[in-house]
Amino acid sequence: AQSVTQPDIHITVSEGASLELRCNYSYGATPYLFWYVQSPGQGLQLLLKYFSGDTLVQGIKGFEAEFKRSQSSFNLRKPSVHWSDAAEYFCAVGAGNKLSFGAGTTVTVRA
Amino acid sequence: NAGVTQTPKFQVLKTGQSMTLQCAQDMNHEYMSWYRQDPGMGLRLIHYSVGAGITDQGEVPNGYNVSRSTTEDFPLRLLSAAPSQTSVYFCASSYSRSHEQFFGPGTRLTVL
Repeated sequence: AQSVTQPDIHITVSEGASLELRCNYSYGATPYLFWYVQSPGQGLQLLLKYFSGDTLVQGIKGFEAEFKRSQSSFNLRKPSVHWSDAAEYFCAVGAGNKLSFGAGTTVTVRA
Repeated sequence: NAGVTQTPKFQVLKTGQSMTLQCAQDMNHEYMSWYRQDPGMGLRLIHYSVGAGITDQGEVPNGYNVSRSTTEDFPLRLLSAAPSQTSVYFCASSYSRSHEQFFGPGTRLTVL
């Protein structure tokens, strides 16, 4: 069965600074990989996804993620964070008919 | 399109009561899933369906039942509520297993 680890529970970043959220997965083959964002009291919104091909994928709101097979990682990045990026971020791995989520990383943006 | 809708938004139950959480989607998606979200644990898959009449268990199925009689609807039934089922429940749907899942707004359930 697949599993997902997000090592950072909480990250605080200054507005305008860069952000990187880590995601490591465990799965025997190449899985489908996703990053979702959840604002307080809201459902989840897809930021980006990776199925195959180019290992650097672009998403909405200026986010990008890089798939590294050798490291079993799919880290999320943003060059310059805005206050509206404060939210909880979830990495997810799809294999077969199931989607497994990491525990999430909460991002706080300070002025 | 309304997307994925869930009712109710909030619910309080007493231990032992039963109830059904409703989920509907109007995107003609074959795949539908139920997750529960608990602090520090992310989202955990309860049950999922790959089409009308077909359901399967996820990671934490105990205490929950599902059925899928139509493409649009995927209700989640709590047979005998327990305090451990206090959580936020999300329904999601997608066109196929490799496609983006669209999430409903969630149902916050408290079991006393």
